[in-house]
Amino acid sequence: NAGVTQTPKFQVLKTGQSMTLQCAQDMNHEYMSWYRQDPGMGLRLIHYSVGAGITDQGEVPNGYNVSRSTTEDFPLRLLSAAPSQTSVYFCASSYSTGNNQPQHFGDGTRLSIL
Amino acid sequence: EDQVTQSPEALRLQEGESSSLNCSYTVSGLRGLFWYRQDPGKGPEFLFTLYSAGEEKEKERLKATLTKKESFLHITAPKPEDSATYLCAVRTPGIKAAGNKLTFGGGTRVLVKP
Repeated sequence: NAGVTQTPKFQVLKTGQSMTLQCAQDMNHEYMSWYRQDPGMGLRLIHYSVGAGITDQGEVPNGYNVSRSTTEDFPLRLLSAAPSQTSVYFCASSYSTGNNQPQHFGDGTRLSIL
Repeated sequence: EDQVTQSPEALRLQEGESSSLNCSYTVSGLRGLFWYRQDPGKGPEFLFTLYSAGEEKEKERLKATLTKKESFLHITAPKPEDSATYLCAVRTPGIKAAGNKLTFGGGTRVLVKP
């Protein structure tokens, strides 16, 4: 009963470093997305994917890249980390983009950029 | 631009003291309103989906209602285990294939004291 699994749970980076946040789901969900959660800002959509090979930008995509080569995995890449990217990152998935499909969230990656 | 506002930001209740949380929204074409519960250090956990004005959903001590401009989450006779942050999100048509795009409010932190 894994659901959505995110790794790592915590990470500290220096400005300019790169890293990949991993997200995997075992529910055969078509739709996957990445959010960041900042105090007072709510959850904001970074990138999303409606299936393997198909990705698109959300409302705050700058500084992040994604790809989706399999149904199960949807990694988020920071190419050159900046302090403004300090946040908690959540991956979510749902069966489809249909009206009645709630998104299921992982437990997040807490990222600090020094 | 779609906007979701939750109030109050924080709520302190005594065990058994019923109360309501508000989620007001300004969107172009509501396709669904979602309530989530988030515990510290965890990802949001799905509670309810509401689609049309007048709709109500219940789960244990929680009851969600929807009007054309807002939703309420009523907590009846809360217990300490109901302490969490409650998030509201709206689904809107979005561009391209972003059919499942969610816009989140900032959340209401609820603390129930024994």
